Amino acid sequence: DTEVTQTPKHLVMGMTNKKSLKCEQHMGHRAMYWYKQKAKKPPELMFVYSYEKLSINESVPSRFSPECPNSSLLNLHLHALQPEDSALYLCASSQGTGGPQETQYFGPGTRLLVL
Amino acid sequence: DQQVKQNSPSLSVQEGRISILNCDYTNSMFDYFLWYKKYPAEGPTFLISISSIKDKNEDGRFTVFLNKSAKHLSLHIVPSQPGDSAVYFCAASLYGGATNKLIFGTGTLLAVQP
Repeated sequence: DTEVTQTPKHLVMGMTNKKSLKCEQHMGHRAMYWYKQKAKKPPELMFVYSYEKLSINESVPSRFSPECPNSSLLNLHLHALQPEDSALYLCASSQGTGGPQETQYFGPGTRLLVL
Repeated sequence: DQQVKQNSPSLSVQEGRISILNCDYTNSMFDYFLWYKKYPAEGPTFLISISSIKDKNEDGRFTVFLNKSAKHLSLHIVPSQPGDSAVYFCAASLYGGATNKLIFGTGTLLAVQP
């Protein structure tokens, strides 16, 4: 089973709203990732959690706030977003046991529209 | 600076023929490469990978070739099927001592004609 689930599937929010994206995996993976994908562009890494600790932040604006409550869950809290933040937000996970040859498995994504 | 490039934005092939998707990279520190397939409004699905110590990896209809000296890899799909029609992303893994970063290419839209 290589399933990563994400909720909600679609989200529309205003620039003053606060919302959260959720990601879950039950593969026992210890590394989890958030990516952002704009239309006709490749996915771009935002954050990496390893063993529930933030290990990589790709200079993402503070209006995006990640959280890893436990090894199966990853949240992305959104506040005061801009219309240009509209994109597909993808969650991924990998074993996280260390070493370069790990495969990341992706969820279906949350399509976010900021009005 | 695009470290992973897929120079063909689209490719059209006939059902049953071979599809060849190409990918070039610039960073010699990459040591693991992956191909993902993506349908619209879905997340990328892992297809096949190759370590930098190998030059070929095969899984059913999918074969990935790596030419380290040329910093080039390719994905061969044979025979191609209409269900293979999707965007294919090449990705390179950069290991930072604790976690991996995936750097994606820009993608190639494959259309397999019945």
